[in-house]
Amino acid sequence: NAGVTQTPKFRILKIGQSMTLQCAQDMNHNYMYWYRQDPGMGLKLIYYSVGAGITDKGEVPNGYNVSRSTTEDFPLRLELAAPSQTSVYFCASSRDLTSGKSKAGELFFGEGSRLTVL
Amino acid sequence: GNSVTQMEGPVTLSEEAFLTINCTYTATGYPSLFWYVQYPGEGLQLLLKATKADDKGSNKGFEATYRKETTSFHLEKGSVQVSDSAVYFCALIPSGSARQLTFGSGTQLTVLP
Repeated sequence: NAGVTQTPKFRILKIGQSMTLQCAQDMNHNYMYWYRQDPGMGLKLIYYSVGAGITDKGEVPNGYNVSRSTTEDFPLRLELAAPSQTSVYFCASSRDLTSGKSKAGELFFGEGSRLTVL
Repeated sequence: GNSVTQMEGPVTLSEEAFLTINCTYTATGYPSLFWYVQYPGEGLQLLLKATKADDKGSNKGFEATYRKETTSFHLEKGSVQVSDSAVYFCALIPSGSARQLTFGSGTQLTVLP
């Protein structure tokens, strides 16, 4: 079972470059999320989506863009990379959070993508 | 708004010691409460959950009880192992319609042999 797959696992960018972090899930989850985790810090939500064609900003959306054209894929785009975007990025997916089912609220995380901007 | 406050880390214990990681929350109504664990180099994974007051979630020897009167969901384990070394996150989903979890800041636990 693949679960949530993120690529690439590691990437080094120069200031001003752009790139896309890929995220795919095979659990038919409607909800998907992008978080960033700075060293020694907690998670900050960048963007999330509750279904194909629907995206919303999280806590720290500036400098990022997302799209959700299919249920499976939720890519995160970094435009004009800056050193402040050096972080570990996690994609996650879940069922409807308030579905009332036993698995409601369980997020499934990918292994993370470590990005360094120099 | 909704928030989760965890005890500051890092926490360092010897193997077989008793563990408590405090978590308190602010939310209206009856949120669902969660503990997630992040092992080194990995993403987070659900450890346990509780969806109503006085519920006890348990998994892998860890327990947490949903205390509405003290708005708390403290994580406990009677005898920690080196393999429990990880970062632990408390989280909540507010009651009613919700689109995202609210996470605490995480508590780093190191267990020494």
